[in-house]
Amino acid sequence: GESVGLHLPTLSVQEGDNSIINCAYSNSASDYFIWYKQESGKGPQFIIDIRSNMDKRQGQRVTVLLNKTVKHLSLQIAATQPGDSAVYFCAETLNQGGKLIFGQGTELSVKP
Amino acid sequence: DSGVTQTPKHLITATGQRVTLRCSPRSGDLSVYWYQQSLDQGLQFLIQYYNGEERAKGNILERFSAQQFPDLHSELNLSSLELGDSALYFCASSVGIISYNEQFFGPGTRLTVL
Repeated sequence: GESVGLHLPTLSVQEGDNSIINCAYSNSASDYFIWYKQESGKGPQFIIDIRSNMDKRQGQRVTVLLNKTVKHLSLQIAATQPGDSAVYFCAETLNQGGKLIFGQGTELSVKP
Repeated sequence: DSGVTQTPKHLITATGQRVTLRCSPRSGDLSVYWYQQSLDQGLQFLIQYYNGEERAKGNILERFSAQQFPDLHSELNLSSLELGDSALYFCASSVGIISYNEQFFGPGTRLTVL
């Protein structure tokens, strides 16, 4: 598959363990945040989102935490599986606009 | 499969040339977005169209232009190409214009400028 070949931070976990991916966002006025997953050769895929009036949101096996005080976002993946191996990006938006501002991304590698 | 299609999948061209990338949004989506993913800049927003009109602009170079046609497909035109324009170009679509509308990304066009 194709990849951009970015030199990204890498997180390596054992299958079945929990993963935590962190992101520092740039704009304290951002009001909506999204986590995307990008597999090799594919476009980013929505995982979970959170609005700025919340500090936690849970999905299926994923949880997003938002700390506005320190402009920090995290993605927790429970019981990580080999299929979770991908690059994960956080994105932020401002004033409900459609423009997404992406973080640099973290490569998650899951060892069987 | 997100439902967003992009053509071509790969494009190899020379410096100074002009290329056109094409995107067909998901059925029913009125917004189209273009993003560039490069080695040094990561994923960057270029431009957004909604129902044929430009809605938001990012750090899009003057050599780049886009449009959305009445059938809602979009084209990104890149001219006077430079080596640094080599990147993956993604199109995304959403039903509306606000951020809370999920953006669905296409598979991308890999542009190589030699």
